[in-house]
Amino acid sequence: AQSVTQPDIHITVSEGASLELRCNYSYGATPYLFWYVQSPGQGLQLLLKYFSGDTLVQGIKGFEAEFKRSQSSFNLRKPSVHWSDAAEYFCAVGAMKTSYDKVIFGPGTSLSVIP
Amino acid sequence: DGGITQSPKYLFRKEGQNVTLSCEQNLNHDAMYWYRQDPGQGLRLIYYSQIVNDFQKGDIAEGYSVSREKKESFPLTVTSAQKNPTAFYLCASSSQGPDTQYFGPGTRLTVL
Repeated sequence: AQSVTQPDIHITVSEGASLELRCNYSYGATPYLFWYVQSPGQGLQLLLKYFSGDTLVQGIKGFEAEFKRSQSSFNLRKPSVHWSDAAEYFCAVGAMKTSYDKVIFGPGTSLSVIP
Repeated sequence: DGGITQSPKYLFRKEGQNVTLSCEQNLNHDAMYWYRQDPGQGLRLIYYSQIVNDFQKGDIAEGYSVSREKKESFPLTVTSAQKNPTAFYLCASSSQGPDTQYFGPGTRLTVL
């Protein structure tokens, strides 16, 4: 069965520190991979996505993610966190060119930033 | 500006009443989705539609109903059969199934 796990429910980092949010997936087909961010009481906004090609993907707000097929991972990174990055982060996986046409979201990781 | 609108932002209803949540998009997307989000939890898919006049149940469709009479609109009705309807509801659209989804601002439904 397809699934997405985000091992860290909540992470706290100091402003200016580096950040890595983990995402692991289980998927039979070649995956589409996404990271979304959600501010409190708001909808989700796409940070970045991977469909094919270079496994290191650059996104908005200084975020990047690396697809590692051997580890079934798509971890999100940022070299220096800003207080405004405090939010909920969701990893998501979709199928590429199959009849399964839904995107599965992980449970989310809540990020707190200490000034 | 293109985007997705959901209305209202906050909705209060008495137990036993049906309520309809609005979702409209002007992105010319074929696919639309409804998700439910509970505190501290991820998104759970309620219903989705890949084309007008067609829709499929998601993981938690019981107690909900939808229609897709127009490409731009995908309203969700929360019926009295839904045991625990208080939640944050998110609508999304995409150009095709497994592609980037664009989300509306959400509707917070509270059943009293």
